[in-house]
Amino acid sequence: AQKVTQAQTEISVVEKEDVTLDCVYETRDTTYYLFWYKQPPSGELVFLIRRNSFDEQNEISGRYSWNFQKSTSSFNFTITASQVVDSAVYFCALSWGTGFQKLVFGTGTRLLVSP
Amino acid sequence: DGGITQSPKYLFRKEGQNVTLSCEQNLNHDAMYWYRQDPGQGLRLIYYSQIVNDFQKGDIAEGYSVSREKKESFPLTVTSAQKNPTAFYLCASRTRTGRSHYGYTFGSGTRLTVV
Repeated sequence: AQKVTQAQTEISVVEKEDVTLDCVYETRDTTYYLFWYKQPPSGELVFLIRRNSFDEQNEISGRYSWNFQKSTSSFNFTITASQVVDSAVYFCALSWGTGFQKLVFGTGTRLLVSP
Repeated sequence: DGGITQSPKYLFRKEGQNVTLSCEQNLNHDAMYWYRQDPGQGLRLIYYSQIVNDFQKGDIAEGYSVSREKKESFPLTVTSAQKNPTAFYLCASRTRTGRSHYGYTFGSGTRLTVV
């Protein structure tokens, strides 16, 4: 069965610290997509990144970086020099199968960045 | 600007009443989704629709119903059969064709409370 595990329920850091959010996924499909979303207190989900299963290159976007490792079925997310505005719930998600019709989410990691 | 509109933002329902949550998109997306979010449980799929006049049950469809009479609209009815309807409900859409983008666009959510 397809599953996403985010073992960290809540992480607290002080501003300017680096923080890594872990994501482990399970799927038997060889073709799939992995996503990270940010949910600020207002509630909407903000798309951060999409990665397909054939592209294991790490990606960096400003202070954000993602480490995709198929060998360990992990897709971890690192925020460098965290800021108070990074405080939110972060979700990792998986889409698979014909047409990638469904998206399954992990339980989310709440990140609290204090000044 | 294109996007997804969910209304109302907050909704209160008396026990035993049906209530309908609205979701409208002007993105010309084929597929639409309803998710339920409870604290500590991430997002769970209620129903999804790939095309007009067709929809499928997700993981937690019991006590809910949907319709898809127009491409732009995918309303969710929470019936009295739903035992614990208090939750945050998110609507999403995505384009069905093409491999260029399998990301999902989310609405800002409706917070339903049973009183």
